[in-house]
Amino acid sequence: EADIYQTPRYLVIGTGKKITLECSQTMGHDKMYWYQQDPGMELHLIHYSYGVNSTEKGDLSSESTVSRIRTEHFPLTLESARPSHTSQYLCASSRATNEKLFFGSGTQLSVL
Amino acid sequence: GESVGLHLPTLSVQEGDNSIINCAYSNSASDYFIWYKQESGKGPQFIIDIRSNMDKRQGQRVTVLLNKTVKHLSLQIAATQPGDSAVYFCAENVYGQNFVFGPGTRLSVLP
Repeated sequence: EADIYQTPRYLVIGTGKKITLECSQTMGHDKMYWYQQDPGMELHLIHYSYGVNSTEKGDLSSESTVSRIRTEHFPLTLESARPSHTSQYLCASSRATNEKLFFGSGTQLSVL
Repeated sequence: GESVGLHLPTLSVQEGDNSIINCAYSNSASDYFIWYKQESGKGPQFIIDIRSNMDKRQGQRVTVLLNKTVKHLSLQIAATQPGDSAVYFCAENVYGQNFVFGPGTRLSVLP
């Protein structure tokens, strides 16, 4: 069982709200990732981090931002949520770039 | 049988039969491959991996085959059970780069 946790599990909010999706891992992994996934669709990398104070944009353009102040914590923030942000957001971590990813259970975000 | 659904190709198998899920990867430089299983409402779960210096690797009820010549990866599940129903993703990795995930295949196990 992977030691990576995401909260909240489900979130329903109104347009224009600022939200932060939390992700924490207790495995001491340096590499962390955020993926966006629509129902039944493939995973798209939106952000990743090599370690503390490192943040990089992924392959899919996203209006969200991330921070990495501590090794174990990689929160994702949307300053002003819109209905187009409705999706599942998956956090993952790995020991290194070419090591397997461990995924959290995801946050299902619905913006009304 | 196998069919292309609205979003995902779907493979339907009878309980107890063997399943074969296929994946065509894109980069001939990829040297590490993983199969993930994703159940409804959950994050992807690691099943098995293989590096490019191997062409076959076996786990408990699962086997991964790698054919580098045609850039093809397959996942075989023996004696498929209802609990195997899920979406299966392959992921490829080139050393130093991020993983690239395939589109996924939905496996439905029929009673």
